[in-house]
Amino acid sequence: GAVVSQHPSRVICKSGTSVKIECRSLDFQATTMFWYRQFPKQSLMLMATSNEGSKATYEQGVEKDKFLINHASLTLSTLTVTSAHPEDSSFYICSASDSGGRGEQFFGPGTRLTVL
Amino acid sequence: LAKTTQPISMDSYEGQEVNITCSHNNIATNDYITWYQQFPSQGPRFIIQGYKTKVTNEVASLFIPADRKSSTLSLPRVSLSDTAVYYCLVGEPGGYQKVTFGTGTKLQVIP
Repeated sequence: GAVVSQHPSRVICKSGTSVKIECRSLDFQATTMFWYRQFPKQSLMLMATSNEGSKATYEQGVEKDKFLINHASLTLSTLTVTSAHPEDSSFYICSASDSGGRGEQFFGPGTRLTVL
Repeated sequence: LAKTTQPISMDSYEGQEVNITCSHNNIATNDYITWYQQFPSQGPRFIIQGYKTKVTNEVASLFIPADRKSSTLSLPRVSLSDTAVYYCLVGEPGGYQKVTFGTGTKLQVIP
C-alpha cells in the first residue's frame, strides 16, 4: 500500500519554542492531507484538513494561529506548533489518500511531541 | 458524519476468533465502513472496508447486515500481536472526506 512518512518521529522542546512536523506521501500524490492529535489512552482527534495550494480547514476549537499548516506540494504538508506549551504535548498523526487507490486513508507513523 | 459506537475493550485468548461489533445507526447511503488497527505510538493501519454483506481479505472479515446499521469485524485465530485498538469508521470513500474516530475497542489477547 501507499506510504506516508512523518519527521521527526519524536521531538522534545522547551516551552515557548516552535516545532515543525513534516508529513510526506512517499509514492503517491495527495491533494488532501489530514492532521490528528492523540492524547494518551484517547482516540484520534481531527485537527485540520490540509489542502494543497490553499488554506487549511480547521476543526472547531483548534487555533489556526497556533497550529500553522502549509501544504505547498502534492507530497508534503507541514504542521508548525507555535509557542508550544506543555499542554501541547501529544502524539500528532497525519494521513493522506491515494486518489488512484481504494480511497482509504494512509496514516503516518506519528510524531511524539513533548514540551518541557 | 455518522457516529459509531463500539465496546471500549475486549479480552480474548490466543487462537480464538474475535468479533468486534460497531453500531452506526445514522449511516448514510453513500457511506462505507472501514476498520483500522492501531498499536501504541503508531499511526492507524487499514484493515478492511466494505459497503454491504460480507468482505474478506487475508487478515479479517467484515460482516454488514442488510440495514447497515451495524458491522462486525471478525479476526480469525488471534495471536498476541493482534493486541491493539480497533477503530470503526463510517464515511464516503475517496479519502477526501474527513473522518471522525470513535473511542475504538482495545483488544487484549491473552496467552
